[in-house]
Order: sequence, then structure tokens, then C-alpha cells
Amino acid sequence: NAGVTQTPKFRVLKTGQSMTLLCAQDMNHEYMYWYRQDPGMGLRLIHYSVGEGTTAKGEVPDGYNVSRLKKQNFLLGLESAAPSQTSVYFCASRLERAQRYNEQFFGPGTRLTVL
Amino acid sequence: GDSVTQMEGPVTLSEEAFLTINCTYTATGYPSLFWYVQYPGEGLQLLLKATKADDKGSNKGFEATYRKETTSFHLEKGSVQVSDSAVYFCALSDRDYGQNFVFGPGTRLSVLP
Repeated sequence: NAGVTQTPKFRVLKTGQSMTLLCAQDMNHEYMYWYRQDPGMGLRLIHYSVGEGTTAKGEVPDGYNVSRLKKQNFLLGLESAAPSQTSVYFCASRLERAQRYNEQFFGPGTRLTVL
Repeated sequence: GDSVTQMEGPVTLSEEAFLTINCTYTATGYPSLFWYVQYPGEGLQLLLKATKADDKGSNKGFEATYRKETTSFHLEKGSVQVSDSAVYFCALSDRDYGQNFVFGPGTRLSVLP
């Protein structure tokens, strides 16, 4: 049981390049989330999904797109990377049933640098 | 809206000292409360949780009690170790739908030998 995995672990992009971050979970969770973590700013929610084929905006969605084509995968895309998107990105998942009692499970993170 | 407030860090303690990290919350419903820990270079891990008033969550020597009357969930440990150095996040969840998980800003703890 791998839990939540993220690919890649590290990436350096040039301004204007595009990339996709992959999150996968093997716990059959309905809910999945993408956060970014910047120094001194805690976690900020980018997008989330309540099930296969659905996505919704979080607190800081601009400049990012997401897709949830399969229940176990949640992709985060940067179409035209900007230096302001330099951050550590975390994916998380959560069981839907009796949600308020259930914790989120986090992946190990992807460290992205945009030059 | 819902919110979580934590004490400002960083907190620096000597090994074997007593730890308290304060957490207070604002919520419209009856939230579940969580403490997460993030070790350097890693993702967040659940440390403990409590799902109703007066519940006590505990794990690895850490404890926190859900106090509805003071809307608090303070994290405590009787004797910290160097290996407890990390960032600690308080969080709440109060609805069974949508985007319903709220994190505090985190408190960095450094434990010196």
C-alpha cells in the first residue's frame, strides 16, 4: 500500500515552459487536493476534486489547471510557468464517507523551481 | 468562515522540556480537529485527532484535548526530543462535503540537545 505518491520529486523549469505534476493514490479515496507551500505562508489550496471527472477551484487557482480522469489520479498542470509558481506542491487524498471525521493523507511533495 | 489560529513561531526548546503549542479555532458547525507534523523535506503526517468535544487525541507522547468551551485544541508533550523538531499544523473539518478542511499557518519547533 503506497498511499499517496507524487511525480516528479524535483523539477526546474524556465519561464513559459509547461509541465504536469502527477498524484496517485491507492486507497480508493474520493477526494483529492493540490496545495502549494511557500515559506512562511503555510498551505494554500489550489484545486480539489470530489470524485472522478470533477474538479473545483480552491484559494489560489490562477495559472493552474487540473484533471481527474481516473479516480486514483489527480493531475496538476502549469501551462506557462512563472517564477511566482516556484514552490513545494503537495497532493492529498481523503475518504469521502463521514468526511468530517477523516484526515487527509499527504504525498511527499514536488519541489518546483521556475527560473 | 472557518479559521484556525496557531501561536507564532519559531519555538525553540531544550531537550526534555515541556511543549505547548496553542491552537484556537472558529467554526460554524461541530468540527473535527487535527494536528499534523511536517518533518524537514517531507509531506504532512497526521499526528493525532479528536472528533468531538472533550475527546483527547494522543500519539508518540503528544496529546491534545478538544475544548469546545474555549474553542481550543492545544498540543502538548511532556518531554521533547531533538527528533521532534518539525513544523506542526493545527487543522479542522466541519462539513461532510466540498472544500471543508482548514489548516492553521503552522508552528516551527526546534529542539536543541
